[in-house]
Amino acid sequence: QKEVEQNSGPLSVPEGAIASLNCTYSDRGSQSFFWYRQYSGKSPELIMFIYSNGDKEDGRFTAQLNKASQYVSLLIRDSQPSDSATYLCAVSPGGDSNYQLIWGAGTKLIIKP
Amino acid sequence: DAGVTQSPTHLIKTRGQHVTLRCSPISGHKSVSWYQQVLGQGPQFIFQYYEKEERGRGNFPDRFSARQFPNYSSELNVNALLLGDSALYLCASSPGTGNNSPLHFGNGTRLTVT
Repeated sequence: QKEVEQNSGPLSVPEGAIASLNCTYSDRGSQSFFWYRQYSGKSPELIMFIYSNGDKEDGRFTAQLNKASQYVSLLIRDSQPSDSATYLCAVSPGGDSNYQLIWGAGTKLIIKP
Repeated sequence: DAGVTQSPTHLIKTRGQHVTLRCSPISGHKSVSWYQQVLGQGPQFIFQYYEKEERGRGNFPDRFSARQFPNYSSELNVNALLLGDSALYLCASSPGTGNNSPLHFGNGTRLTVT
């Protein structure tokens, strides 16, 4: 059973601080890793994706991947109240199952003004 | 460019009924995937279609079926509805299939079964 684990939160962070969201996955053959943001009652919105070990930066967002530890994280710098949402980690398995994404249950992030 | 469009937005059905959900992908995207999201959980994969062929199916009963049309739009059908089918149904499109094609989601269809 391929699994993706996230801390459900809520994670409370002061405005302007760095929010750190974490995700672990069980399938060592996983190839691609995605972070989505989901506001309450809305659909998931793609924030970033990462394929290679290391860091990938896009504006205030940085994704970090460590395949050896089967760990992927998302850092949000200068957190804003509008960043308050549930953040979903999704993983594309390797092999014949690469047509689907395996999702974590999400971490609820609250940015306090 | 228009994003992924889904219809209807909300739907209320009774147990045992049938439902059809519709999805139009982003222009140029040939792959459509369907996911079910129950409150408090991550999306669960139902189907992926590419070039009108089923590429993959998740762990859902045969009551769930789908198809993709020549214009790449798609329908998800659910027969003999159960209370447990109440969920947000998400359609996503991508240019291709496989690991390197991020999914772009529509606004979803909220299905309530009573």
